[in-house]
Amino acid sequence: GAGVSQSPSNKVTEKGKDVELRCDPISGHTALYWYRQSLGQGLEFLIYFQGNSAPDKSGLPSDRFSAERTGGSVSTLTIQRTQQEDSAVYLCASSRDSAVETQYFGPGTRLLVL
Amino acid sequence: KNEVEQSPQNLTAQEGEFITINCSYSVGISALHWLQQHPGGGIVSLFMLSSGKKKHGRLIATINIQEKHSSLHITASHPRDSAVYICAAETSGSRLTFGEGTQLTVNP
Repeated sequence: GAGVSQSPSNKVTEKGKDVELRCDPISGHTALYWYRQSLGQGLEFLIYFQGNSAPDKSGLPSDRFSAERTGGSVSTLTIQRTQQEDSAVYLCASSRDSAVETQYFGPGTRLLVL
Repeated sequence: KNEVEQSPQNLTAQEGEFITINCSYSVGISALHWLQQHPGGGIVSLFMLSSGKKKHGRLIATINIQEKHSSLHITASHPRDSAVYICAAETSGSRLTFGEGTQLTVNP
């Protein structure tokens, strides 16, 4: 595709349920990032994948959050036992390589935990 | 103190005015990014710079590495420039640390 795509665009779930958010990066981009933007808050880094290297998970807020990237392309962010404070827009971005490259952002997934 | 601070938080201008948004950072960076977030939420990368100055159309970004400061300028502002402008410091490992954003409103 022409840009980064994310699905679903919106997700409403009940507290305690697990959710999976998907990101399809731009073809050929080796670096993939997940960010979160809570209501009225700034963006925060969650996790970063670069090629076959071990991901940088330093931004994940708790062990309920995990992410994987299969085949160096599609990534899935999983939130287990969702809490109301997990409600946010989850953004994915990709870049050609790591380090000093323009990051291209997807449209985001709006998650609402009731 | 946040690692990346922007000012002002909110800015209202009249069409045609010259606009400046400032960004200061306290961490070592490999690059400084300026992003634009439209009212619908989509984020677009405007600039990525590690030194000097870059220009794209009516937008100009500058950075002073010694002073750890960057500015985004908009010349001849237009209502369609209304958006949130975010600066982000790229630190080790390519992670971005974001400022809080500047809400710009340009009135006709």
